Amino acid sequence: KAGVTQTPRYLIKTRGQQVTLSCSPISGHRSVSWYQQTPGQGLQFLFEYFSETQRNKGNFPGRFSGRQFSNSRSEMNVSTLELGDSALYLCASSLTGEQFFGPGTRLTVL
Amino acid sequence: GQNIDQPTEMTATEGAIVQINCTYQTSGFNGLFWYQQHAGEAPTFLSYNVLDGLEEKGRFSSFLSRSKGYSYLLLKELQMKDSASYLCAVRDDYKLSFGAGTTVTVRA
Repeated sequence: KAGVTQTPRYLIKTRGQQVTLSCSPISGHRSVSWYQQTPGQGLQFLFEYFSETQRNKGNFPGRFSGRQFSNSRSEMNVSTLELGDSALYLCASSLTGEQFFGPGTRLTVL
Repeated sequence: GQNIDQPTEMTATEGAIVQINCTYQTSGFNGLFWYQQHAGEAPTFLSYNVLDGLEEKGRFSSFLSRSKGYSYLLLKELQMKDSASYLCAVRDDYKLSFGAGTTVTVRA
């Protein structure tokens, strides 16, 4: 069974731009969660989607948003990028609680 | 909210045993997870505890005491490839909250 895939793997943007990241969960997994990982803050929860509905949201500004499609694929969007948004963005899919992580998207904001 | 504490760094020699402690304070509890993360890679699942006691999986074991808000991950017969960051994570209803991670360095 294929694992969680994320695209793109690497991205360079400039301040003020927006970015969309994509995540395809493991087949059959309906829950997709997004995390931001930085050296200073560690892994921080962004939001979780289940059956196209956002079930929970972390403490991030409204510039961070997401959605989930009927095939469980998910996207997250960050608008008006700031230098501090440079991070590894990880998505994880889940069936019964254990979360399986994708390889992440490394976003660099210049 | 969640407050999860674990040591920042630990060093051990090849073949030895290392125990990584994790304490937590949570507003809800629905399981504790341990993940391993090598530099530049995504976290990979190691273990899951939802009931008190010890879960053993090969060279790795994890223990949970819900009343004490305490868990540990035990790594036995350490190998060089075990050098990585180990993340303790607590799940409430919908999300995982992670500790900052413990960097384990295995020396020859």
